[in-house]
Amino acid sequence: DIQMTQSPSSLSASVGDRVTITCRASQSISNYLNWYQQRGGKAPKLLIYVASSLQSGVPSRFSGSGSGTDFTLTISSLQPEDFATYYCQQSYSIPHSFGQGTRLEI
Amino acid sequence: QVTLKESGPALVKPTQTLTLTCTFSGFSLSTSGMRVSWIRQPPGQALEWLARIDWDDRKFYSTSLRTRLTISKDTSKNQVVLTMTNLDPVDTATYYCARLPVRSGSYDYWGQGTLVTVSS
Repeated sequence: DIQMTQSPSSLSASVGDRVTITCRASQSISNYLNWYQQRGGKAPKLLIYVASSLQSGVPSRFSGSGSGTDFTLTISSLQPEDFATYYCQQSYSIPHSFGQGTRLEI
Repeated sequence: QVTLKESGPALVKPTQTLTLTCTFSGFSLSTSGMRVSWIRQPPGQALEWLARIDWDDRKFYSTSLRTRLTISKDTSKNQVVLTMTNLDPVDTATYYCARLPVRSGSYDYWGQGTLVTVSS
C-alpha cells in the first residue's frame, strides 16, 4: 500500500498569509494526487485534482504542484473560510490512501 | 445535479454486520468510467478509504479490511451497498460514499456522511 504523509500536521496562520502544505508519497504516484478541504465536520470538498488542476468553483488562491512523490498545496492569501483541515489523497493505485490531514488554524 | 446520500443504522452492536446504502442521483453507475467508493472517518481522525465499485462491476477493497467488506451495486435503483461484518467499537466512524469519475481520478462529489456507533 502507498503511504501518504502530510506536513505539517497543524499550522497557525493569519488572514492574508500565504501557506504551503506538503504531501509525500511512499512511492511514485506520477501526478495522481488530489487535495480536499474539510470544514466543521462536513464532507470533504475537492480542491485540486491530478496535482495541479483546480476544481470548478474553487477560488484561484488555491494551487497545487508536484509529481512523483512530492506535492504541495498553496493558498496564496488566506481567507477566514480557509481555516479547515486539508487532506491529500492518491488515486494511483488501490487502496486510495489519504494523508493524515493538516489542520489550519487561526 | 449530482447528489449522494448514505443511509443505515446509527447504532450497531459489536460482532454484528453493518449494511450501508448509498443512494445517488445525477449520474449513472452504468456509464463507462464511473465509480463509487466508500470512505470512513473515525471521530477526530483522518479519512480512511474502504472500497470501490466500478461501472463494469469490478470491486476493490482496503487491504486491512478486505475480509470483512462486501460492496455491490443496483444500477436500476442508483444504489451502492457496503456490508461490513464483525463490527467492533473501533469501527465507530462517519461513513461517506463518493463519486470517482475516471476522467479526473478524484472524488468530486460526496455524500453528507452517516455516523455509525458500535457499542453494546
